[in-house]
Amino acid sequence: DAMVIQNPRYQVTQFGKPVTLSCSQTLNHNVMYWYQQKSSQAPKLLFHYYDKDFNNEADTPDNFQSRRPNTSFCFLDIRSPGLGDAAMYLCATSRGSSSSTDTQYFGPGTRLTVL
Amino acid sequence: GDSVTQMEGPVTLSEEAFLTINCTYTATGYPSLFWYVQYPGEGLQLLLKATKADDKGSNKGFEATYRKETTSFHLEKGSVQVSDSAVYFCALSGRGGSARQLTFGSGTQLTVLP
Repeated sequence: DAMVIQNPRYQVTQFGKPVTLSCSQTLNHNVMYWYQQKSSQAPKLLFHYYDKDFNNEADTPDNFQSRRPNTSFCFLDIRSPGLGDAAMYLCATSRGSSSSTDTQYFGPGTRLTVL
Repeated sequence: GDSVTQMEGPVTLSEEAFLTINCTYTATGYPSLFWYVQYPGEGLQLLLKATKADDKGSNKGFEATYRKETTSFHLEKGSVQVSDSAVYFCALSGRGGSARQLTFGSGTQLTVLP
């Protein structure tokens, strides 16, 4: 089945220690998104790639970076995690059509704990 | 800008009860509308969608109709099950650009008791 895969499902890191979260997709979609979701809140978009073009949200902290080496993979790098960065991180993909019917498909998420 | 307002939760129902979760939106033009479901500890799953006025999305016994005149997309299910316990997010996707921003509602926690 075509899908969005996130690894690891659970990640524990220490305050200030860089961490990388991984997302891969078999849907061959053009767009990949990263969201941050804190407890009992809606997901918040951090950034997205349309193919190789990176689009950062205005209020995404500089501490968060992303890489997309190829169509299938996208990484979220947190350079110096703080306690406030503990959250669920969701990856999503979409075809990226010019129509508003473009649909995002989400992975299972990575739960990040910062000690 | 675009916005989505969802019914406040949490909602607690008995098994086989009727479910309605209200969702209204504000957007320019003709957005697409979505319901996503999030089970505990999991990511979001697309439950259903509607892309134009009067469209009805349906899946797993859930339904929602895109009502442009009332700017609403209420989620309904005739008989809920314990396995439907989850958080439900209403979302819209607007026009313009090559990638779509999803605007989410705040989510509604549903608990179904046996």
